[in-house]
Amino acid sequence: NAGVTQTPKFQVLKTGQSMTLQCAQDMNHNSMYWYRQDPGMGLRLIYYSASEGTTDKGEVPNGYNVSRLNKREFSLRLESAAPSQTSVYFCASSELNSGATRDTQYFGPGTRLTVL
Amino acid sequence: AQKITQTQPGMFVQEKEAVTLDCTYDTSDQSYGLFWYKQPSSGEMIFLIYQGSYDEQNATEGRYSLNFQKARKSANLVISASQLGDSAMYFCAMRTYNTDKLIFGTGTRLQVFP
Repeated sequence: NAGVTQTPKFQVLKTGQSMTLQCAQDMNHNSMYWYRQDPGMGLRLIYYSASEGTTDKGEVPNGYNVSRLNKREFSLRLESAAPSQTSVYFCASSELNSGATRDTQYFGPGTRLTVL
Repeated sequence: AQKITQTQPGMFVQEKEAVTLDCTYDTSDQSYGLFWYKQPSSGEMIFLIYQGSYDEQNATEGRYSLNFQKARKSANLVISASQLGDSAMYFCAMRTYNTDKLIFGTGTRLQVFP
């Protein structure tokens, strides 16, 4: 039982390049999330998927796209990377659907992305 | 608007002492949940403890307890008998009934010294 896994762990891109961050969970969770973490700013939600087949924007969605490939997998794509997207990216998943305050999110190990 | 405020950027505590990390929140929703996460230097986010807005008792999980004062909108994390391994960033977060989103504070860096 690996929990939430993310690939890659580290990535360096040049401005304008594209890439996809992969996330998978084996806990049979319904909801999945993508966050970015920048120094002094905590975690900010980029996109989330409350259930398979749905995705919604979070606080900072510009420059990103997501795909909920199936119940297990949720990918984050940067179409044209910019230096402002240098950050640590976390994927998370949770068991319950919308409307549940007792919905603990479990996080992957993170991807450290640098855009030059 | 919903918001989490952690006013202590850094805290120091001696090993075996107790420490309180502050968290205040702002929401107009009556139903919400409050979470604390630990982020050690290795980077992963580890769930520590949860408190629901309707819970009558303060949550406890081992050495972690949550001092929940609803009228003051505060949810402070208390770590008893600090250990060197408690040195980490600690984040307070909130989820309300009307959103699917977890809102995080900016975190407090705790350093435990011998």
